Amino acid sequence: AQKITQTQPGMFVQEKEAVTLDCTYDTSDQSYGLFWYKQPSSGEMIFLIYQGSYDEQNATEGRYSLNFQKARKSANLVISASQLGDSAMYFCAMREGLGSGGSNYKLTFGKGTLLTVNP
Amino acid sequence: GAVVSQHPSWVICKSGTSVKIECRSLDFQATTMFWYRQFPKQSLMLMATSNEGSKATYEQGVEKDKFLINHASLTLSTLTVTSAHPEDSSFYICSAALQPTVSPLHFGNGTRLTVT
Repeated sequence: AQKITQTQPGMFVQEKEAVTLDCTYDTSDQSYGLFWYKQPSSGEMIFLIYQGSYDEQNATEGRYSLNFQKARKSANLVISASQLGDSAMYFCAMREGLGSGGSNYKLTFGKGTLLTVNP
Repeated sequence: GAVVSQHPSWVICKSGTSVKIECRSLDFQATTMFWYRQFPKQSLMLMATSNEGSKATYEQGVEKDKFLINHASLTLSTLTVTSAHPEDSSFYICSAALQPTVSPLHFGNGTRLTVT
């Protein structure tokens, strides 16, 4: 079974509107972390936002917020006031086991969602 | 913020030759680095975990003799693609995280390898 599922291969949004990118995950661990990364066409991976499994508040970073629904195992990314520069691939990722060992930093990625912001 | 530098950003080589890709953590020490591979329009697949001072841990299906990883210092890990073939053409990207705190992985800018 896939650990990270992103069901939207592509999404379109009008500039200045909000958009939600879906992500569901599968884990039996109690301690885990969820990440969203942005990958522009140039290829670099840009960290956007992080949510820990024990965090009670939804994470927010500027125009990015994470709608964390633990019981449903979903961690959707909400981008408010979309900008043309937001057009990119977006990956949801999970890290299981929040220990301090190096191997626990291993991330499992979803297949990604290609977001296109229209002017 | 933490920065990971990867070099080269792109390389073209002939079949049968070897290519070395470097990954450096610029402002922090990384005892562990991760190497990912990404085919066009696909997700990142973990290839191996690079451990400073010890052998790398490879994911299932990744040939360790083909993809040699060396993590000789706390700021440098290298991936060598040996005897490259066209099917090795891909985007290779490394990552590292600050130790020992819980923090996001920071990625290098990736290396686009084309084997002709």
